[in-house]
Amino acid sequence: KAGVTQTPRYLIKTRGQQVTLSCSPISGHRSVSWYQQTPGQGLQFLFEYFSETQRNKGNFPGRFSGRQFSNSRSEMNVSTLELGDSALYLCASSSFGEGNSPLHFGNGTRLTVT
Amino acid sequence: QKEVEQNSGPLSVPEGAIASLNCTYSDRGSQSFFWYRQYSGKSPELIMFIYSNGDKEDGRFTAQLNKASQYVSLLIRDSQPSDSATYLCAVNLDTGRRALTFGSGTRLQVQP
Repeated sequence: KAGVTQTPRYLIKTRGQQVTLSCSPISGHRSVSWYQQTPGQGLQFLFEYFSETQRNKGNFPGRFSGRQFSNSRSEMNVSTLELGDSALYLCASSSFGEGNSPLHFGNGTRLTVT
Repeated sequence: QKEVEQNSGPLSVPEGAIASLNCTYSDRGSQSFFWYRQYSGKSPELIMFIYSNGDKEDGRFTAQLNKASQYVSLLIRDSQPSDSATYLCAVNLDTGRRALTFGSGTRLQVQP
């Protein structure tokens, strides 16, 4: 069974730009969660999608948004990039989501904002 | 108090020893507990999950859960240098957030 696939692996953007990250979950998984990982803050929950609906959201500004498609693939978007948005963005899929089933992480997208 | 707390380490153990990693959490009503391993530059990898009080064993790994004391631990028997990584504890806290909250991780070093 293929794992969670994230693209691209690396991104370099300039302050003020926007970026879109993509995630394909494990086949059959309907829940997709996004996390931001930084050395200072660790893994921080961004949001979770299930059946094309955002079901849960973390404490991030509105510049961070996402969506899920009918095939469970998900994208997240960050607008008006700031230097502090530099991080590893991890997508994870699970069977049921909402923290009740194990998360399976993709390899992540490392975003650098200059 | 952090919601999910781990000692950052590094925890250094000799090869072949038992490594004991601990995690405490803030909400007594939490129901789901997970351990992840993360190698430097890689993404977290699920090791084990536990939902009920007591021990759960999987190969060289044992997860221990004590809900009354609000801690969960991971034991690694016969530690190998390849076990050297950061171990992340994740808890589905009973806060209504309905998402896993991760600790900051404990860095384990297994000395050959």
